[in-house]
Amino acid sequence: GAVVSQHPSRVICKSGTSVKIECRSLDFQATTMFWYRQFPKQSLMLMATSNEGSKATYEQGVEKDKFLINHASLTLSTLTVTSAHPEDSSFYICSAETGVGTEAFFGQGTRLTVV
Amino acid sequence: QKEVEQNSGPLSVPEGAIASLNCTYSDRVSQSFFWYRQYSGKSPELIMSIYSNGDKEDGRFTAQLNKASQYVSLLIRDSQPSDSATYLCAVYFYFGNEKLTFGTGTRLTIIP
Repeated sequence: GAVVSQHPSRVICKSGTSVKIECRSLDFQATTMFWYRQFPKQSLMLMATSNEGSKATYEQGVEKDKFLINHASLTLSTLTVTSAHPEDSSFYICSAETGVGTEAFFGQGTRLTVV
Repeated sequence: QKEVEQNSGPLSVPEGAIASLNCTYSDRVSQSFFWYRQYSGKSPELIMSIYSNGDKEDGRFTAQLNKASQYVSLLIRDSQPSDSATYLCAVYFYFGNEKLTFGTGTRLTIIP
């Protein structure tokens, strides 16, 4: 299957700082990537859809000014958690589709801990 | 509201038996269906995709799709302890909500 690489896999940051997470499609071009958040023992929660060359589409209840998404190329999307707080601590996962309606492949995920 | 529903479990199955995971969805025009496996602390990985009615087999895994009943299932034959994970059903909804929608997942435990 297609490979999606996410970096970093784990990050600890101080409250009030910003953290950037990268998501790359290594062997295919992804016009659309997705960002999810998952709290322990809970299901995936879609945060936003990232579209190459345009603004991201955020799900209801997700603050776009806090979770900045940039999809500057067909192989890279970034999620920046701004002014992080302990309640932002979670498992963040990106995915990318090879085409509309086809399989989505996930990155390895980023475990964010805000202290 | 497009929805995907799964029994959250936990589902316990003896090693070597068949594990049966079920999923229902709300939209009759859905065309793409997927099963993902997620180990604790890891991201989901794709197991099977199915696009047409009937069965699709891949090794020990069989996906079954019944569009008339809006039902998709995953069978795992000869269950192994390594199959213990949460299994996520995902459906691609078209027309107004073009994105992959996940169920909440079924936690499967294979008992040695």
